[in-house]
Amino acid sequence: EPEVTQTPSHQVTQMGQEVILRCVPISNHLYFYWYRQILGQKVEFLVSFYNNEISEKSEIFDDQFSVERPDGSNFTLKIRSTKLEDSAMYFCASSARQGSNQPQHFGDGTRLSIL
Amino acid sequence: SQKIEQNSEALNIQEGKTATLTCNYTNYSPAYLQWYRQDPGRGPVFLLLIRENEKEKRKERLKVTFDTTLKQSLFHITASQPADSATYLCALDMKSGGYNKLIFGAGTRLAVHP
Repeated sequence: EPEVTQTPSHQVTQMGQEVILRCVPISNHLYFYWYRQILGQKVEFLVSFYNNEISEKSEIFDDQFSVERPDGSNFTLKIRSTKLEDSAMYFCASSARQGSNQPQHFGDGTRLSIL
Repeated sequence: SQKIEQNSEALNIQEGKTATLTCNYTNYSPAYLQWYRQDPGRGPVFLLLIRENEKEKRKERLKVTFDTTLKQSLFHITASQPADSATYLCALDMKSGGYNKLIFGAGTRLAVHP
């Protein structure tokens, strides 16, 4: 069964450094998402992306965050200047179509540790 | 304020029994509600979704109910097995500006004992 893949599985970065998290969504999916989960807390929506532009973002997704689909397969999340509180699991998800009856398919996440 | 509440304590049951997990929400009006399973260190895995005008949905040993008057969904696993042990997340499917996003509850950890 097709799956969403994320790399790296674990990223350790010094505070203030830039980090790029990478995702390969399921190939025929058109809608892409990033979520994060701070240890022991709930999964939180960050951003949704369709047709090469952001369709919605949460208040967490401030100017330090950006997303990009640089080619036909990758979907990236960049954090420009990382802070300690950015430490979390970051999940990428994709769905085939828009609409309220579409399940989202999640990758297994990148654990981001900011030192 | 808007809230989604799931049983915060772990649910421990014996193998073969039915597990029932609760999801309550306030100040939302979702068109759909979805349930996901999350294993430690893994991403959420979609299980079932239910529409606001559906009372019940089934898939194999899983059953979901959705009561929009009570603002509650119940998730049942019948004939539970140790392999069902995981955290189960309910997610409200919120439409905003024509696009959808999932708002997750904190999850309920289920432990099925042999």
